[in-house]
Amino acid sequence: GEQVEQRPPHLSVREGDSAFITCTYTDPNSYYFFWYKQEPGASLQLLMKVFSSTEINEGQGFTVLLNKKDKQLSLNLTAAHPGDSAAYFCAVSASGGNYKPTFGKGTSLVVHP
Amino acid sequence: GPKVLQIPSHQIIDMGQMVTLNCDPVSNHLYFYWYKQILGQQMEFLVNFYNGKVMEKSKLFKDQFSVERPDGSYFTLKIQPTALEDSAVYFCASSLQPNERLFFGHGTKLSVL
Repeated sequence: GEQVEQRPPHLSVREGDSAFITCTYTDPNSYYFFWYKQEPGASLQLLMKVFSSTEINEGQGFTVLLNKKDKQLSLNLTAAHPGDSAAYFCAVSASGGNYKPTFGKGTSLVVHP
Repeated sequence: GPKVLQIPSHQIIDMGQMVTLNCDPVSNHLYFYWYKQILGQQMEFLVNFYNGKVMEKSKLFKDQFSVERPDGSYFTLKIQPTALEDSAVYFCASSLQPNERLFFGHGTKLSVL
């Protein structure tokens, strides 16, 4: 089945710096990609859904890159601020079959003022 | 926005007892999920459910686990009997269509003593 490796597990940056998180997946049939943000004590909230056909996706204050050749999904938080401190999870699922998103193990991001 | 409600937020029980975790999914959603999160990090798929049936379950979904959604009401996860290793936060999620974003509840923290 699908395996998703997310790195790094912990990330600490200063305010204004970039924070880069990568997920490497295994299933070549993976077609739907998601990034979720989980603030302490809260539920997961969708950050972005990425379609297989789009390599670069711009969000508010972040960019998501999809490299299908290397089976990598990346999240780059540009100019991070303390409000970005949270756990970030990637999720991947293949087209067809039982819809069962596989999550990465998460990255705990701390942005210091 | 749409919300998934989980009841209770925290449950403490003795090992061997039965526990039922309740989830009130988004009203028009059709696909339901349970995930288990350990140590605030790893989010692991347990089971998904559609049209009154389990679609797929993971190895973590032991024989002691069961899910149902009687009469279109709460989507429940029952564990009988509980074991110490069942201590975790259990997240319920729902989606309208397969491969759409998941809406997560705030989780139920289960502590098995």
